[in-house]
Amino acid sequence: SQQGEEDPQALSIQEGENATMNCSYKTSINNLQWYRQNSGRGLVHLILIRSNEREKHSGRLRVTLDTSKKSSSLLITASRAADTASYFCATNQAGTALIFGKGTTLSVSS
Amino acid sequence: NAGVTQTPKFQVLKTGQSMTLQCAQDMNHNSMYWYRQDPGMGLRLIYYSASEGTTDKGEVPNGYNVSRLNKREFSLRLESAAPSQTSVYFCASRKVNEQFFGPGTRLTVL
Repeated sequence: SQQGEEDPQALSIQEGENATMNCSYKTSINNLQWYRQNSGRGLVHLILIRSNEREKHSGRLRVTLDTSKKSSSLLITASRAADTASYFCATNQAGTALIFGKGTTLSVSS
Repeated sequence: NAGVTQTPKFQVLKTGQSMTLQCAQDMNHNSMYWYRQDPGMGLRLIYYSASEGTTDKGEVPNGYNVSRLNKREFSLRLESAAPSQTSVYFCASRKVNEQFFGPGTRLTVL
């Protein structure tokens, strides 16, 4: 069964706005990762946050992790049309493969 | 480097036919994975190989077999295709915590 659940399922915003998507998971983890998938393409790794970290930044991306609530959020600041894609969280437990959520579809219009 | 390559890109099968999806990576990664992606379901792990010579079942292995031919190649075989196996199949390899995905094979079983 899937470990992560993203929320919302779909998000539509205007260019320049911020986009926030959330991920909840069920069991303890070593790390949590976010991936992006452009339409018709494979997934691309965006950022990883370890279980002992609370916040991480990479360019316009900001990820937070709350292990007590078993949740993470991905914030994309100043969105661009090129950010239109599906975003997936994936959790990693010790000795197991990544488990992906169902994804959030982000649409950024100009 | 080509990264992770998959062949074919598209395939149409009739129920009961067999086929092998090919995957190769040139990044010298030990771990390789096969996922299927269905609408609204995210990615589900079919099989994985932690190293050359080993394979393990994932979440949805029924109806599939795999072969880790060598360190570079990891193939997925459908012995008797069923309409329920209509999906997009992704192969991935892993370096430390990050997974690298191929472009996918879109399979339709009639």
